[in-house]
Amino acid sequence: AQTVTQSQPEMSVQEAETVTLSCTYDTSESDYYLFWYKQPPSRQMILVIRQEAYKQQNATENRFSVNFQKAAKSFSLKISDSQLGDAAMYFCAYRSDGSNYKLTFGKGTLLTVNP
Amino acid sequence: DVKVTQSSRYLVKRTGEKVFLECVQDMDHENMFWYRQDPGLGLRLIYFSYDVKMKEKGDIPEGYSVSREKKERFSLILESASTNQTSMYLCASSLGLAGSSYNEQFFGPGTRLTVL
Repeated sequence: AQTVTQSQPEMSVQEAETVTLSCTYDTSESDYYLFWYKQPPSRQMILVIRQEAYKQQNATENRFSVNFQKAAKSFSLKISDSQLGDAAMYFCAYRSDGSNYKLTFGKGTLLTVNP
Repeated sequence: DVKVTQSSRYLVKRTGEKVFLECVQDMDHENMFWYRQDPGLGLRLIYFSYDVKMKEKGDIPEGYSVSREKKERFSLILESASTNQTSMYLCASSLGLAGSSYNEQFFGPGTRLTVL
């Protein structure tokens, strides 16, 4: 079974600085998808960024980018120019290719942004 | 925009009560999911449904059942609520496109259930 590990329960960053959230996963599959979800306090979970394992190029979405290291089974999220609105719980998630449903989530990293 | 709504944001029930949590999505998604979120444990899948009247167990189905009579609605049922079912419950939906990265899951706002 796949597992997803987020080794940082909490992180903090100063406004306008850059922060990197770590995620590692364990799988024997070669094709899969990885996701970062954001859950702001008392608000709905939303997708931040996704990465297909067959793509070597790291995904980027505005201030959010990933460092995908397939051999190391690592999928870290970098947030540049951090803003107060980035404060949230961040979850890393894995889905097998060919599976249209099952997401395996990490336990989450709580990000605090200090003004 | 996809909208996933849940019937209640907060719910307080007593031990032994039958509890219904309802979820509705408005984007004609095939897949619907129920997760439980607990501090330090992340999200764990309880049940999911890939079509009307179809369901499959997730990782922690014990003590729960589900119903999907219409495509847009997915209900989670706690037959006899217990205190260890106090938690945040999240519903999600997605398109039924196997092998595609674009069938992301869209989440509802969650229901915080307290069982006394």
